[in-house]
This record gives sequence, structure tokens and C-alpha cells, in this order.
Amino acid sequence: QIQLLQSGAEVKKPGASVKVSCKASGYTFTNYPITWVRQTPGQGLEWMGWINTHSGNTIYAQKLQGRVTLTTDTSTSTAYMELRSLRSDDTAVYYCARVGAGPYDEIAFFDYWGQGTQVAVSS
Amino acid sequence: QSALTQPASVSGSPGQSITISCTGTSSDVGAYNFVSWYQHHPVKAPKLMIYEVSNRPSGVSDRFSGSKSGNTASLTISGLQAEDEADYYCTSYTTSSTVVFGGGTKLTVL
Repeated sequence: QIQLLQSGAEVKKPGASVKVSCKASGYTFTNYPITWVRQTPGQGLEWMGWINTHSGNTIYAQKLQGRVTLTTDTSTSTAYMELRSLRSDDTAVYYCARVGAGPYDEIAFFDYWGQGTQVAVSS
Repeated sequence: QSALTQPASVSGSPGQSITISCTGTSSDVGAYNFVSWYQHHPVKAPKLMIYEVSNRPSGVSDRFSGSKSGNTASLTISGLQAEDEADYYCTSYTTSSTVVFGGGTKLTVL
């Protein structure tokens, strides 16, 4: 069955970086893009960006541009999300999800999700 | 990119129908049929309920349906059940090749 298994919870200090992993199984990793979404405490879901797992091309949300980097390791079917210069308002649950794409690589929907990774930023 | 506009909360009694609206602009909801809806229970991963405006993934109850008119998409849940109580989010692809979420709607089953 299709699964996305994320790495465990992290606690970081302001200004540090965090790298969350998302290991895919049950399908051909390079056939589907991966997206990242976060939910801050008491807030809604926020789209962070996506990566084409075949080409490595990325698109990021404007708000996070310059602080976030999405990468993949196709040899292990693993996607990574690195967020730098962490602030307290980056405290959130971070999710990876598989993307269903449209005919021209439009980001159509997110059909399988990881279990979420809690990242806490505190001094 | 501003978030899509959803009502903060809706409620209904078991067996009733409710509709959640999702209003965007001509740069997102109005531009493409790439609107999707997610159900999110606390401490669980979101679940895809509707994709490409009105399509249901395998395994999702046919009590869930979606539609779109202009810049507004809608999710309708008929025959409300207690298990439907959750937060619901819409998303849309945008003309900037990004994705925007709605602010979320808390559904309460009375």
C-alpha cells in the first residue's frame, strides 16, 4: 500500500534550521511530485511548495521563498524539506503529500499524506 | 496570494445537508478546475475528499459532492453523520503555479 513515512518530532532554537524527511513506498517515487504543507497552532493549513521528483524542479510559496528548500533522494524514495532561520511562528506540524498532477503538471490534488512531523521552535 | 475564503464554521443535525463555500478569484478558483477539498480531524493527516471540483476518490462516500460556479467552489455533505465532524479545507491551483488553501471551516454535527 502507498505510504509516506515522515521523520520524528524536532525541537529547535530560533535561528536554527530543521530538515524533515518523507520516505515514500508502494508506488514509483519519480512518477508523482511531492508537496509540503504545514499547520501552525490554532491556524489552518498552509501550502509551502512542491518538488517534481523526476526533474527536481521546485516551486515555493512566496512567503517562504529563500528560507525553504525541497530536495529528494530518488535512490531511497525520500523527499526532504529544510527550513532555515527558524522563528517561533514556524512552530507547526509539517506534512508531506503525494501530488496528483494535471496534464500540464498543474498541482491538482494531494492524495496520500504523511503522518505529520511536529517542529517546535523555542528558546 | 491571499487565502481562499471559507466560512469559519457550519453546523447541521444528523441526516441534514450542509454546504461549505470557498471563494477565490479569477487567478485561482475561477481560472482552473483544480479545486480540491480535504477533511482534517485533529492529530490526523488531512484526507482528500473531492478533487478537480467534483470528483470523489475511491473510498469516499457519495454523500460528499463538489461543484463550482465562477470564482466560488462548494462542498456539500448530505445525510450528515457524527463522523463527518471535522475541519474542511479547500485548495486551488493558481495562475502563479502555486497552491492556495482556504482558511478552513469547522463542521459541527449537532
